[in-house]
Amino acid sequence: GDSVTQTEGLVTLTEGLPVMLNCTYQSTYSPFLFWYVQHLNEAPKLLLKSFTDNKRPEHQGFHATLHKSSSSFHLQKSSAQLSDSALYYCALSEGSNYKLTFGKGTLLTVTP
Amino acid sequence: GPKVLQIPSHQIIDMGQMVTLNCDPVSNHLYFYWYKQILGQQMEFLVNFYNGKVMEKSKLFKDQFSVERPDGSYFTLKIQPTALEDSAVYFCASSLFYEQYFGPGTRLTVL
Repeated sequence: GDSVTQTEGLVTLTEGLPVMLNCTYQSTYSPFLFWYVQHLNEAPKLLLKSFTDNKRPEHQGFHATLHKSSSSFHLQKSSAQLSDSALYYCALSEGSNYKLTFGKGTLLTVTP
Repeated sequence: GPKVLQIPSHQIIDMGQMVTLNCDPVSNHLYFYWYKQILGQQMEFLVNFYNGKVMEKSKLFKDQFSVERPDGSYFTLKIQPTALEDSAVYFCASSLFYEQYFGPGTRLTVL
């Protein structure tokens, strides 16, 4: 079945340093990949989405490139901000029923 | 942006009772979902719903669970009877196609 792996459970960074959160996946077909961000006590919000190989969507300074050859969709940002502290989920969707399969999430904490 | 609302935000009930979780999806969305998140674990798909019918349910969607959306009102998840292992945060989501919008969740505690 489908699965999503996020290797880091916790990432702590100093403000201004680059962010890289890892995401790899297993899927039978060509899925859509997503990054969702969840701030404390809020709903998960869509950050990025991609279906196209080697395209790099960007939003709020974050970007992620879907590499089908390595089944990866790592999230990156050049300079972390304090407001980036949140839980980040990588997820995939395939097929016609649009259900999401989530990774375990990475809690990013940015310190001054 | 579009908002999904969930009512209530917290619910505490005794094991064996019935509970209904309510979701007010984005108004023009066609697909509706429930996900379950046990504390400290990842979010897991329970069920999705389109055109008045369940499309797919996971193995977590036990016989005690049911969903409905009567005539464009709330999309509901009913659990009857509840069990201790049903304690979790339940997230509702809705979408036109792939892009899902989530509610803030209902924290269900079964005692």
